[in-house]
Amino acid sequence: DIQMTQSPSTLSASVGDRVTITCRASQTIRGWLAWYQQKPGKAPKLLIYKASTLESGVPSRFSGSGSGTEFTLTISSLQPDDFATYYCQQYYMFLTFGPGTKVDIK
Amino acid sequence: QVQLVQSGPEVKKPGSSVKVSCKASGGSFSTSAITWVRQAPGQGLEWMGGVIPLFRTPDYAQKFQGRVTITTDESTSTAYMELRSLTSEDTAVYFCARGLDRGVGAATVHFDSWGPGTLVTVSS
Repeated sequence: DIQMTQSPSTLSASVGDRVTITCRASQTIRGWLAWYQQKPGKAPKLLIYKASTLESGVPSRFSGSGSGTEFTLTISSLQPDDFATYYCQQYYMFLTFGPGTKVDIK
Repeated sequence: QVQLVQSGPEVKKPGSSVKVSCKASGGSFSTSAITWVRQAPGQGLEWMGGVIPLFRTPDYAQKFQGRVTITTDESTSTAYMELRSLTSEDTAVYFCARGLDRGVGAATVHFDSWGPGTLVTVSS
């Protein structure tokens, strides 16, 4: 299985901050990476797929980059609605999720 | 936009089985990748397996091979996930999700639509 790691596991930030989350794969996954946002008691929501393609309806403050084994999710200016847990997911082969990064209020 | 509606919460005894349903509306059910992901309390997301109804043969995560069965009913656009030999460690919210097949199978997709989740509690 391809193992996914995320850093940090928790991130404390303020509204307006620029936030970056890193996701690493144990082997190359080329660009087959998605990012999801999940709030407590809710299903995950797709933000980004194919490493950098913004899902329709997702605010442009979210962006993704990377290829191979290292990827980042950036929120350019954190908004109150963005406090949540973020998961990466590889779908190069037999999909797996990262452990998640919780973004909470500083 | 695809809508996914899941069956209601379940309480099961250890050693028993549970079958959760996921009814899709909108989009093409037959050519979508329908998958099951679970989330134990306070934990992350764990892929269990998925299927493209048109091709019928599911892909399963190795951890669940032999204990989970994913089936579909194209006449009602409904997918089912049955998990057997339940233990307390199977207590979790079970989500169905839909992705678009990129031609490599149900284990190689991202998910643009999710069901609300079904809580399965395993307790004696």
